[in-house]
Amino acid sequence: EAGVTQFPSHSVIEKGQTVTLRCDPISGHDNLYWYRRVMGKEIKFLLHFVKESKQDESGMPNNRFLAERTGGTYSTLKVQPAELEDSGVYFCASSQVRALGEAFFGQGTRLTVV
Amino acid sequence: AQRVTQPEKLLSVFKGAPVELKCNYSYSGSPELFWYVQYSRQRLQLLLRHISRESIKGFTADLNKGETSFHLKKPFAQEEDSAMYYCALRHYNTDKLIFGTGTRLQVFP
Repeated sequence: EAGVTQFPSHSVIEKGQTVTLRCDPISGHDNLYWYRRVMGKEIKFLLHFVKESKQDESGMPNNRFLAERTGGTYSTLKVQPAELEDSGVYFCASSQVRALGEAFFGQGTRLTVV
Repeated sequence: AQRVTQPEKLLSVFKGAPVELKCNYSYSGSPELFWYVQYSRQRLQLLLRHISRESIKGFTADLNKGETSFHLKKPFAQEEDSAMYYCALRHYNTDKLIFGTGTRLQVFP
């Protein structure tokens, strides 16, 4: 069974540019989460999808971040325009059962804004 | 506010020595506690959860509500235990995980 897959694995962009990160969850997992780890800090929750609906987006830092999950399959996280402080590792996770289910993580996308 | 604290950024031990990675949490209610591990060049993966009360790879963790702690322990460390360890909590009514800053465990031969 394929795990959670994230693209790209690394991205280096200039301040002001746009970047789109993609996450393919495990097939059949309705729950999809985005997290971010900024250098030296903890992994922080960004948002949670249940199928195509945003269940909780309380962790999104500002309106430069836009997450979508059309059709309830893969998800994208767009940062526009990117700022230096957006640099970090972006993790995606998916789970089958809410609250009690184990969340499986992708390998992460390392974003560097220069 | 919900918070997870891992006071040690780095813990270095020799093979065969006991290991204890500390985790304290701040939460009003009934949290669910987890330990996640990330080995070099691998993805973050669940190590154990307090409701399972099981031992994985020789590691155990007991939830102490009085001390609000969930320390991870192993009596005899192995070199392959070297990794980054994250303590996390989740409230039963939400799904988001709240992570600590992580502790890097280095086990020397």
